[in-house]
Amino acid sequence: QVQLVQSGSELKKPGASVKVSCKATGYIFTTYGINWVRQAPGQGLEWMGWINTNTGNPSYVQGFTGRFVFSVDTSVTTAYLQINSLKPEDTAVYYCARTLGPDQDFQYWGQGTLVTVSS
Amino acid sequence: EIVLTQSPGTLSLSPGERATLSCRASQSVSSSYLGWYQQKLGQAPRLLIYGASNRATGIPDRFSGSGSGTDFTLTIGRLEPEDFAVYYCQQHGSSRTFGQGTKLEIK
Repeated sequence: QVQLVQSGSELKKPGASVKVSCKATGYIFTTYGINWVRQAPGQGLEWMGWINTNTGNPSYVQGFTGRFVFSVDTSVTTAYLQINSLKPEDTAVYYCARTLGPDQDFQYWGQGTLVTVSS
Repeated sequence: EIVLTQSPGTLSLSPGERATLSCRASQSVSSSYLGWYQQKLGQAPRLLIYGASNRATGIPDRFSGSGSGTDFTLTIGRLEPEDFAVYYCQQHGSSRTFGQGTKLEIK
């Protein structure tokens, strides 16, 4: 069965970097893109963008350009979200998600990774 | 960017009652590209409805979706205790955006 398993919670200081992983199993990794969704404390869901796992080409939503980097390592079927120059407002739960098919809704979700940025 | 506005912000109902949640888009969205998600506290969202009216795998038939154009509705026929959660609509016809959510709470 399809599973997305994310790395554990992180506590970082402002200005540092963090790299969140999303390990995919149960399907051919390069067949579907991986999306990233942010949820700030007590807030709603924000789509950050996605990465084509076949080509490695990322696509970022406005507001998530510059400090946010999507990448993949197909050898370990894992997608990564790196956030550089962390700010307190980056504190959130970050989810990876996969659609059921091309251009469809998010059927599969990781369990979420809490990133806390605090001095 | 297509903005999705959900109403009400909070809905207070009792188990056994019927819930009607609304999602209004700032411009027309193809029905094929409108989905609904349920999120319980501390959990990842779960897909309930895709293509505006199709239940995702394993979703009970008390959940139903309808609508077209700019107005979409999620209906929960008879509320079970486990249905009290936050519900989001999402469109993926033009980029992807989520509504701000409706919290369904026990009255």
